[in-house]
Amino acid sequence: RKEVEQDPGPFNVPEGATVAFNCTYSNSASQSFFWYRQDCRKEPKLLMSVYSSGNEDGRFTAQLNRASQYISLLIRDSKLSDSATYLCVAPVASQGNLIFGKGTKLSVKP
Amino acid sequence: SAVISQKPSRDICQRGTSLTIQCQVDSQVTMMFWYRQQPGQSLTLIATANQGSEATYESGFVIDKFPISRPNLTFSTLTVSNMSPEDSSIYLCSVGLSGTSTDTQYFGPGTRLTVL
Repeated sequence: RKEVEQDPGPFNVPEGATVAFNCTYSNSASQSFFWYRQDCRKEPKLLMSVYSSGNEDGRFTAQLNRASQYISLLIRDSKLSDSATYLCVAPVASQGNLIFGKGTKLSVKP
Repeated sequence: SAVISQKPSRDICQRGTSLTIQCQVDSQVTMMFWYRQQPGQSLTLIATANQGSEATYESGFVIDKFPISRPNLTFSTLTVSNMSPEDSSIYLCSVGLSGTSTDTQYFGPGTRLTVL
């Protein structure tokens, strides 16, 4: 299994839709996970941190399933401004660094 | 969070030359990192910049090709040496505020490098 693997996308959804991305990770000892958002030609920006079973921030909910080693990101009531690439991030067991997934591209259409 | 700046924001360089990228943070930070993001790919960690000692490089990256300096807790440089077109990429620095390499990182705006 790759260390961090994401839905390849792209996800094309209408405004107002609910969309969910999944991410699997290989390091069963990982304690912290992150979702970053990256706009085209911009740097990644932290969207959410996930330290326990999940986290919710407004329209965004991240859930962690340790038994199955996956993290999900749910976006409710999608806005045009949510269009971006979403990167799943998890620690690597051996080096103690972060590994970034390849990202899932979301395009919200009017 | 932290305010991070990088210079230059972009450059076009000739094969065989070297480019030094600067990363400046507005506060003292323990952890600084350098990443590469090739077109259509995710981020790959090049090295951890250690203040007062040699950087810690990831597999596939070596000091001769990517020398790194970190003279203090707010500044670091990454040099891309003897460039080839395969080095065309976005180079990003990031900082960790908590003192651990597996906690939240904040990124600079990146340096877009094109090698001809």
